[in-house]
Amino acid sequence: EPEVTQTPSHQVTQMGQEVILRCVPISNHLYFYWYRQILGQKVEFLVSFYNNEISEKSEIFDDQFSVERPDGSNFTLKIRSTKLEDSAMYFCASQKAGVSNYGYTFGSGTRLTVV
Amino acid sequence: QKEVEQNSGPLSVPEGAIASLNCTYSDRGSQSFFWYRQYSGKSPELIMFIYSNGDKEDGRFTAQLNKASQYVSLLIRDSQPSDSATYLCAVRGNDMRFGAGTRLTVKP
Repeated sequence: EPEVTQTPSHQVTQMGQEVILRCVPISNHLYFYWYRQILGQKVEFLVSFYNNEISEKSEIFDDQFSVERPDGSNFTLKIRSTKLEDSAMYFCASQKAGVSNYGYTFGSGTRLTVV
Repeated sequence: QKEVEQNSGPLSVPEGAIASLNCTYSDRGSQSFFWYRQYSGKSPELIMFIYSNGDKEDGRFTAQLNKASQYVSLLIRDSQPSDSATYLCAVRGNDMRFGAGTRLTVKP
C-alpha cells in the first residue's frame, strides 16, 4: 500500500536553529498538508498546499514557518529560529485530487525536540 | 474558531461490548467527517468517513452523522483489546480540524 514517507523520524535541535522536515507524499496525490501534535495534545492543522501554493493556513503558521515543494516528489516544512514550544510531532499528509470526501493519508511523523 | 469537541475519556469497555464515541462540531459549513485511530506515538490512521446524514457501517464500525445537531458518533461492536487507542474525530470544511480524541481501553 502506498505510504507517505517522512524524514527524519526524530530531530533534536538547539533553540534558535532552523530545521527542515521532509515528506514524500503518495505519488498520485496533489494535496499536501502539515499538522503538528504537541505531546498529550490534539492534532493541529498548520497548512495545506496545492498547485505549488498555500491554500489554507492556521493561526499557528506564522512567519516562522514556510513550506516548499522543491521538486516533483518532496514537500518540506521549514521552521526558522526554533523555540522550545515548537517541540512536537509533525505529521505530513496527502490526499488524492478530486476526492474531497476522502480522508488524508498521514506519514509516520517527525518528532522534533528543541533544547 | 472552528471547534471539534470530544469527551477525552478514558472510556473503558469489556471485550465484546459496544464502545460508543461521540463528537460535536461548531462549523455548520463542514462537509465531511472522519474517524481516525491513533496508537500512542503513532500517526492517525483513517477508520471511516461519512458525509451524509444517517449511518454508515464498515465491518465492526458504524459512523453516525446528524448535521442538524452537529453531532458525529462512532460505534465499535464486539470490541477487542487491539481496539484500545485514542479515537480522533476530524471535520472538514476548508481544512480538516481534529478533536482532542477519546482514549478507549478494551479490557480482556
